[in-house]
Amino acid sequence: DIQMTQSPSSLSASVGDRVTITCQASQDISNYLNWYQQKPGKAPKLLIYDASNLETGVPSRFSGSGSGTDFTFTINSLQPEDFATYYCQQYDNLPITFGQGTRLEIK
Amino acid sequence: EVQLVESGGGLIQPGGSLRLSCAASGFTVSSNYMNWVRQAPGKGLEWVSVIYNGGSTYYADSVKGRFTISGDHSKNTLYLQMNSLRAEDTAVYYCARGRGGDCYDLWGRGTLVTVSS
Repeated sequence: DIQMTQSPSSLSASVGDRVTITCQASQDISNYLNWYQQKPGKAPKLLIYDASNLETGVPSRFSGSGSGTDFTFTINSLQPEDFATYYCQQYDNLPITFGQGTRLEIK
Repeated sequence: EVQLVESGGGLIQPGGSLRLSCAASGFTVSSNYMNWVRQAPGKGLEWVSVIYNGGSTYYADSVKGRFTISGDHSKNTLYLQMNSLRAEDTAVYYCARGRGGDCYDLWGRGTLVTVSS
């Protein structure tokens, strides 16, 4: 199975800050990586697909980059509604695997 | 409206069986990759199973041999038959549509399964 190591596991930031989350795959997954946002009690929401493509309707302050084994997810100018948990997901091989999540909290 | 609505969760004793349903509207289940993803209380996301639009099915090792994914074209509904349930199967179960493969662009609200005596 492909292991996805996400860091940090939690992060405190303020409105207006820029935050970066990283995700490392245990083997080359090309660009078969997605990023999701999940708020408490809600289903995850797709933000970035294929490592760097912004899902329709998602604000442009969200972005992703990377390929191979190392990926980065960035939120520019944090908004109050961005405080949530974020997950990376690889789909290069079955089983599909997710990172352990990054909980983004208000400082 | 394009949506997925899960049902069938509840409290079940260890060793019991449960069937989850995921009713789709606004698109055709059988034309898409359809998945079940679960989330144990306070934990992260875990992929459970997928049924491809050609009918092939795959499972996580943790549920292989106990869970069966299927779809009903006439009802436009996805199912997850869960047998020999264990305490560690306790989770919110989400169905999710895989666009272009495994980009989960549409999720249901989830249904809670609690396995406990």
